[in-house]
Amino acid sequence: DTEVTQTPKHLVMGMTNKKSLKCEQHMGHRAMYWYKQKAKKPPELMFVYSYEKLSINESVPSRFSPECPNSSLLNLHLHALQPEDSALYLCASSQVTGANVLTFGAGSRLTVL
Amino acid sequence: QKEVEQNSGPLSVPEGAIASLNCTYSDRVSQSFFWYRQYSGKSPELIMSIYSNGDKEDGRFTAQLNKASQYVSLLIRDSQPSDSATYLCAVKGYSSASKIIFGSGTRLSIRP
Repeated sequence: DTEVTQTPKHLVMGMTNKKSLKCEQHMGHRAMYWYKQKAKKPPELMFVYSYEKLSINESVPSRFSPECPNSSLLNLHLHALQPEDSALYLCASSQVTGANVLTFGAGSRLTVL
Repeated sequence: QKEVEQNSGPLSVPEGAIASLNCTYSDRVSQSFFWYRQYSGKSPELIMSIYSNGDKEDGRFTAQLNKASQYVSLLIRDSQPSDSATYLCAVKGYSSASKIIFGSGTRLSIRP
């Protein structure tokens, strides 16, 4: 299995909703990442987990809450989001933190109304 | 100054011609350089990586790196309509903790 699987592919939520994005990989990678990508912009790093511990938080607002329950799963919990948070959220993994090769999932397109 | 700069395009190239994509970076100690292809609405896909000065060829793709000029490029020979996508240049520093920094991407359009 050489894939990173993200669900859901599309999510529409209101500003008062609580939802979660999920990411799963079975490549034995020990580093997992959340990126946010707005239209015509590059992916922006949000969080990095290394061996299931949060190693980087790029000053992301607390309305985004990451969780890594085990080495294969990565969640992003969403609460009280703003319309400007609408974007493509990409999960990626690599063998270890700082490895050169990132494998991206297909992304979850989020729309906040 | 942006850390990784690319011309946003669109770059329009006739089918069968060579497409040339360019990227400059600001951090002199950068050690690893990547080209990702991203189709509209899809995730980035790594197509080339290069670590030392010179050229690296893989099929129709050639990556070129000039560390003295802080410049990396991607050549696509015999361009096909399926090559139409946004190409993201990405750069990583020397240490294992260095993050991969992406450029804004160049949109490439191959016209039949």
